[in-house]
Amino acid sequence: DAEITQSPRHKITETGRQVTLACHQTWNHNNMFWYRQDLGHGLRLIHYSYGVQDTNKGEVSDGYSVSRSNTEDLPLTLESAASSQTSVYFCASSRRRDNEQFFGPGTRLTVL
Amino acid sequence: RKEVEQDPGPFNVPEGATVAFNCTYSNSASQSFFWYRQDCRKEPKLLMSVYSSGNEDGRFTEQLNRASQYISLLIRDSKLSDSATYLCVVLNTGKLIFGQGTTLQVKP
Repeated sequence: DAEITQSPRHKITETGRQVTLACHQTWNHNNMFWYRQDLGHGLRLIHYSYGVQDTNKGEVSDGYSVSRSNTEDLPLTLESAASSQTSVYFCASSRRRDNEQFFGPGTRLTVL
Repeated sequence: RKEVEQDPGPFNVPEGATVAFNCTYSNSASQSFFWYRQDCRKEPKLLMSVYSSGNEDGRFTEQLNRASQYISLLIRDSKLSDSATYLCVVLNTGKLIFGQGTTLQVKP
């Protein structure tokens, strides 16, 4: 079955380290998204991509970057992790821009 | 003002009750609307797409009022397994905007 996966599922890192979270989908969706979810804020968009080599900033993009070298993957990189980036991160994909999105299981990141 | 607003609850209801969640959105150009369900520490999952008013899916019915910029979700005959957080989601220019969610706790 087609699916969307994230790895690692849990990560503890230290302030200042570079961290990369992986997202892989097998639906062949062009559109992929990264969100973070924090208490009191709901889900907020970090970065998104509408296709290979396309990346766009979302609402809370500072301190994060993405790259899209193929259809299946959209890794999220924290260049220099900060404690404020402790959160649950969800990746999502959609077939069309006006379609619903399907979410991966999430990565729980703790920055000490 | 938040772009999508929901009453956070929690709504505590007995099994078998009917419960309604309301949601308002601020951007009149919003194109599509969805209800997602999120269980504790899990990913959001699509519950219903809202393309017009009054669609039913089993015990769930959605209502859309574009003039008032208002969406609702009605759950009939609540089950213990309905306990979750329900997210109202609005699509604007290809991006989903999430409400903070309404928590439902169904009790025996």
